[in-house]
Formats: sequence, structure tokens, C-alpha cells
Amino acid sequence: QLQLQESGPGLVKSSETLSLTCIVSGGSISSSGSYWGWIRQPPGRGLEWIGSIYYSGSTYYTPSLDSRVTISVDTSKNQVSLMLTSVTAADTAVYYCARALGSSSYYYFDYWGQGTLVTVSS
Amino acid sequence: SSELTQDPAVSVALGQTVSITCQGDGLRSYYASWYQQKPGQAPVLVIYYKNNRPSGIPDRFSGSSSGNTASLTITGAQAEDEADYYCYSRDRSGKNFLFGGGTKLTVL
Repeated sequence: QLQLQESGPGLVKSSETLSLTCIVSGGSISSSGSYWGWIRQPPGRGLEWIGSIYYSGSTYYTPSLDSRVTISVDTSKNQVSLMLTSVTAADTAVYYCARALGSSSYYYFDYWGQGTLVTVSS
Repeated sequence: SSELTQDPAVSVALGQTVSITCQGDGLRSYYASWYQQKPGQAPVLVIYYKNNRPSGIPDRFSGSSSGNTASLTITGAQAEDEADYYCYSRDRSGKNFLFGGGTKLTVL
């Protein structure tokens, strides 16, 4: 059974960089066909896809965050990382990592971490 | 349009059938997946690809698609189905992924 666990600071100061790690257990992050994504959810609001990465390093980011976000993988540690620079209060959210599978016409997130709340303070 | 549009709220009587829809130009080319989220919990995949259910998802959940609209149908809604539901797919360009705004389902 695949398990994902997010970790990182729960409080980040405005204008600084948010850094989160997702440790994957119960399976290899290098599994063929597996993408790894980050999704966030501001308090009381809906889900927002941040971006995804293939284990080989190919990345895909949502346009609104493209200039501030970096997603990377460390296959030796079986983990995925998220960095978001120049954060503001609007970046306060629960951040989830998830595994994505799919093909050209469909993708879906089948395993999710429990999520971690990150609050941006002024 | 680069959006996936969902009705903010839908209600259904216990045991009745309800459909939750998701509209977007990208749905003409790409399938949606559907997620159920209960308060304080991570989302759970309920439908993916044409009409596939992960292991453990009751068969009262089904999916369909026509034109620019994807639908999640719950046949015989149960009290435990009360939750927020989100669709996920690509925009018309195929370059960007996105979630719908979510639908809050109330079971009366």
C-alpha cells in the first residue's frame, strides 16, 4: 500500500520561501507511469493543482504559479519536494502531495498524503 | 475557457439519485476524474477514466461524459455520501491541469 507523508514548516514569513517534502513509502517513486503532484487548498476553499513531476524530472506547473514554483524528485530518498518563493498570505493553505497515473487522455490522483497546513505570516 | 465549472451546491433525498456535473472545453478531449472530500480529510478518488472505480468505492458511484460535460452520478445516495466533490482534468489546450470549483452535496 503506497503511503505519502508531507512534512515542512507550518509557518512561513511573508516574502520568504515555502519548502515542503513528501516522503513516499510502500513503493518506488521511479515506478513507470507514475507522476507526483502537489495540490493545495486554502482554508474553506477548493482544490488547486500546483504542479506535477515525472520521476525522470519532467515538470508541469499551473500558469498562475509558474514563476514561483519548483517541484523536484530525489529518487535516492524516494521523495518529492515543493518550493514556492515570495509567499504571501494568499499562499496559506493545506498542501497535499499525491501520485498521478494516466495516459494522454486522462490523469487521476489515486494516492494522497494527509496534507500539511502552511500559514504565511506577516 | 480554461475553467472547469461545477454547481456550488446540490442536494438529494436519502436513497435518491443525484448527478454532479463539471463543464469545460477541455472535456471534449480529456476525461475527468472525480474526488470526494469530507471535512478535515484528504480527497479520495471515486471515478477515473471513462467510468472506473478504485477498489473500495461503492458501485452506486458512476461517471459519464458528453460533449463538454462530465457527470458523477450517485444512485441511491447514502448519508455518508455527504461531502464536497471535485472534478479534475485538463484545459482545452491540454497543457494545463485543473480542478473544478467543487460541489457541496447535501443528503437530506
